[in-house]
Amino acid sequence: QSALTQPPSASGSPGQSVTISCTGTSSDVGGYNYVSWYQQHPGKAPKLMIYEVNKRPSGVPDRFSGSKSGNTASLTVSGFQAEDEADYYCTSYAGNNNYVFGTGTKVTVL
Amino acid sequence: QVQLVQSGSELKKPGASVKISCKASGYRFTTYSINWVRQAPGQGLEWMGWINTNTGNPTYAQGFTGRFVFSLDASVGTTHLQISSLKADDSAVYYCVGRMVRGNWFDSWGQGTLVIVSS
Repeated sequence: QSALTQPPSASGSPGQSVTISCTGTSSDVGGYNYVSWYQQHPGKAPKLMIYEVNKRPSGVPDRFSGSKSGNTASLTVSGFQAEDEADYYCTSYAGNNNYVFGTGTKVTVL
Repeated sequence: QVQLVQSGSELKKPGASVKISCKASGYRFTTYSINWVRQAPGQGLEWMGWINTNTGNPTYAQGFTGRFVFSLDASVGTTHLQISSLKADDSAVYYCVGRMVRGNWFDSWGQGTLVIVSS
C-alpha cells in the first residue's frame, strides 16, 4: 500500500486561504468517503481535524473544511491564522481493514 | 473523555526487544480499536496496524509483519506493541491511537513513546 501523495509544503498569509491536496487511487481515496485529516505541531501528537471527507469534530474551528473529487481529497484552511502553522496529514481507508497515511504537508505562515 | 497514556521512552541496543504499553481510560474499552502509528525522526506518519479490542485479533500493515506484535490485556484496559530484533531504523516515536469500532478515523492519540535503537 503506497502512501497518499501530498505536496511537501504550502504557505499562506494571515487571513488567506490555504488548500492542501491528497492524491490516492480508486482503492483508497477514490473508493471510500473515509478520508480524514490531522494537524501536528512540533513535538506533539497529531490531532483529528476532519473525518469522513468533510466533517469537523467538536472543537475544530469552522475555518477548516474538507472535500473530495475522484482520487484527490483536499483540506482548506480559510482565514489562515498563525496558530495553523503545522504539519498536516491525510489518511484514507484502503479496504480490508487497512488504512494509509499521506506523505504530509508542512504549512507555514508568510 | 477518552484518554490513552503510553509508557515512557526506551533506549535499546540492536537485536534487543521492546514492549510499549498504552493504557486506556475514560470509556468502555471495547468501543474503540487501538491502532499503532510510527513516526521516524523528521518523517511522516505510518499506519502499522490495529488490534480488535473485542476479539484480540491483530491486523498488520505491509512492512510490519514478523517482528511486530500487538497484544492486549482487556482486564486492565491496556494494549501493547512489542518489537523484536530491533534495528537502528526502528528508532521512532510510536503512537497508540483509538478508533471507534464503527469509525474510519483516528479520534484519540496517546502522547507517543520514543524508542531509540543504538549501540
